[in-house]
Amino acid sequence: AQTVTQSQPEMSVQEAETVTLSCTYDTSENNYYLFWYKQPPSRQMILVIRQEAYKQQNATENRFSVNFQKAAKSFSLKISDSQLGDTAMYFCAFMKHAGEETSGSRLTFGEGTQLTVNP
Amino acid sequence: NAGVTQTPKFRVLKTGQSMTLLCAQDMNHEYMYWYRQDPGMGLRLIHYSVGEGTTAKGEVPDGYNVSRLKKQNFLLGLESAAPSQTSVYFCASRTTRQGGSPLHFGNGTRLTVT
Repeated sequence: AQTVTQSQPEMSVQEAETVTLSCTYDTSENNYYLFWYKQPPSRQMILVIRQEAYKQQNATENRFSVNFQKAAKSFSLKISDSQLGDTAMYFCAFMKHAGEETSGSRLTFGEGTQLTVNP
Repeated sequence: NAGVTQTPKFRVLKTGQSMTLLCAQDMNHEYMYWYRQDPGMGLRLIHYSVGEGTTAKGEVPDGYNVSRLKKQNFLLGLESAAPSQTSVYFCASRTTRQGGSPLHFGNGTRLTVT
């Protein structure tokens, strides 16, 4: 079974600064997908970024980028130029590539990191 | 395009009562999921479905049942609610037309069992 660990329950950053959220995972799979989701106080789950494990290039989406280290099984999220609207719970998640019909390609989530952006 | 819609948004139950949470998606997605979210535990999978008429157990299925009679709907039932089922419940769906496509989530249902 896959496990996802986010070792930072809470973090804070000043507006306009950069912050990095950590995520590690454990799997014996070679092909898989990794995701970061954001959950603001509205409770909505919003996709931030997606990474395909067989692609070495790190994914980026505007101010959000990842540092994907496959050998180390690490998938950290960097937020540049932090904004007040980035205040949210952030979840790292893992999805297997193979066996979709039997596993339903479920997402396995980490415990979450509560990020607060201070003015 | 509403995406994934969950009803109700909030509910309070007494121990032993039953209820059904409804999830509807209008994206023609094949896969649907029910997760529960508890503080410090992330989201945990209750049940999922890979197509109309099929369901399967996730990590924490005890005390819940599901049905997917129509492709667009996925129902989560609690037959005899317990305080341990106090949680926020999320429905999600995804397409199989792209490998590793992300899950699309509803806005959640906050359930309190007293």
